Amino acid sequence: GQNIDQPTEMTATEGAIVQINCTYQTSGFNGLFWYQQHAGEAPTFLSYNVLDGLEEKGRFSSFLSRSKGYSYLLLKELQMKDSASYLCAVRDRAGKSTFGDGTTLTVKP
Amino acid sequence: GAVVSQHPSWVICKSGTSVKIECRSLDFQATTMFWYRQFPKQSLMLMATSNEGSKATYEQGVEKDKFLINHASLTLSTLTVTSAHPEDSSFYICSARPSMGVGFGYTFGSGTRLTVV
Repeated sequence: GQNIDQPTEMTATEGAIVQINCTYQTSGFNGLFWYQQHAGEAPTFLSYNVLDGLEEKGRFSSFLSRSKGYSYLLLKELQMKDSASYLCAVRDRAGKSTFGDGTTLTVKP
Repeated sequence: GAVVSQHPSWVICKSGTSVKIECRSLDFQATTMFWYRQFPKQSLMLMATSNEGSKATYEQGVEKDKFLINHASLTLSTLTVTSAHPEDSSFYICSARPSMGVGFGYTFGSGTRLTVV
């Protein structure tokens, strides 16, 4: 099985940087995803890590350490529209993804 | 690319009736699609894995006779909620990824908000 932990809520200021952590335990790791979900909408794909290290994509970066079962999503130059829920999901070798409960990020002016 | 269309976006039905939700991959083929359910302020819970041409694989605790899944083609999977009850009211979301390539994130449909009255 898989167990995924991420903080429930975070608050940050517009223009700042915020890091959302995710720790996981899995019996067969085959990739970690980060998704953004606005209220009432379906999730949208942000990033994918399968090897250790940092993946950068514009204002968003994601880091993975497989030995530590740890990932983080880094959001730079925060904008008000970044207020959303951020979901960490771990995929197993069968292709199934298990989602964390999500971190609700509130960006304040 | 990698667009998933889900229909309907929302539906209200009477208790005891059945509702069918469609999930289509518009510009790619998907041998596997996933169905999730999300209750308010909770994360996505995988219900079942839909496999083209074969029976779906259901997660523990999900009634296969209540949530009928059909994946008859490489671009369409359907979820039918049979004999719906108010506790089935939820946000149902499908996702898929191209059959070729494993590096892509799953693309989600827009979701279907089901309300059973």
